[in-house]
Amino acid sequence: EDKVVQSPLSLVVHEGDTVTLNCSYEVTNFRSLLWYKQEKKAPTFLFMLTSSGIEKKSGRLSSILDKKELFSILNITATQTGDSAIYLCAVAPSNTGKLIFGQGTTLQVKP
Amino acid sequence: NAGVTQTPKFRILKIGQSMTLQCTQDMNHNYMYWYRQDPGMGLKLIYYSVGAGITDKGEVPNGYNVSRSTTEDFPLRLELAAPSQTSVYFCASSYLKGQGADGYTFGSGTRLTVV
Repeated sequence: EDKVVQSPLSLVVHEGDTVTLNCSYEVTNFRSLLWYKQEKKAPTFLFMLTSSGIEKKSGRLSSILDKKELFSILNITATQTGDSAIYLCAVAPSNTGKLIFGQGTTLQVKP
Repeated sequence: NAGVTQTPKFRILKIGQSMTLQCTQDMNHNYMYWYRQDPGMGLKLIYYSVGAGITDKGEVPNGYNVSRSTTEDFPLRLELAAPSQTSVYFCASSYLKGQGADGYTFGSGTRLTVV
């Protein structure tokens, strides 16, 4: 059965800290891995990863995929209170439209 | 361009009542999906559709029904509401099988409480 597991489930840090969120997966016919940020409403897209070892970067956020170890990480440097959110990892198997989501990591950044 | 529109935003149902959650997209996407989100559980796929007239079960379909008579609309029906269906429901659509920044668009969600 296809599965996506995120860790930790929750995390509390202070502004300025660096955090690493983890996502492991077991999916038949992997196509891509996606990261989303969810504040009060719908998830918003952060990154899509399809190839191992190629870092995607947007401001203080970056992500990388290891297809051999079936693993991805999302890094946030110099965290701010606005980074407080649920971070969702999802995997898209090939030949389907479905996304398989992990449980999410709830990040709280304190001033 | 409205994207994916869900109605209602909030609803309280009594046990045994029925209701339909509406979802409309104006992007001509062929794929549409219904997910539910419970605290600490991520999003679980209820039903999805790859085009008008075609629907299929996702991970948690029990207690729900869907139809897809047009490309734009994908309503989700709860026939006999149960407390276990208390959740936040998201509709989404995509044009490239869930891949890509613009390929997957979520609605704003419906918060449903069954009492």
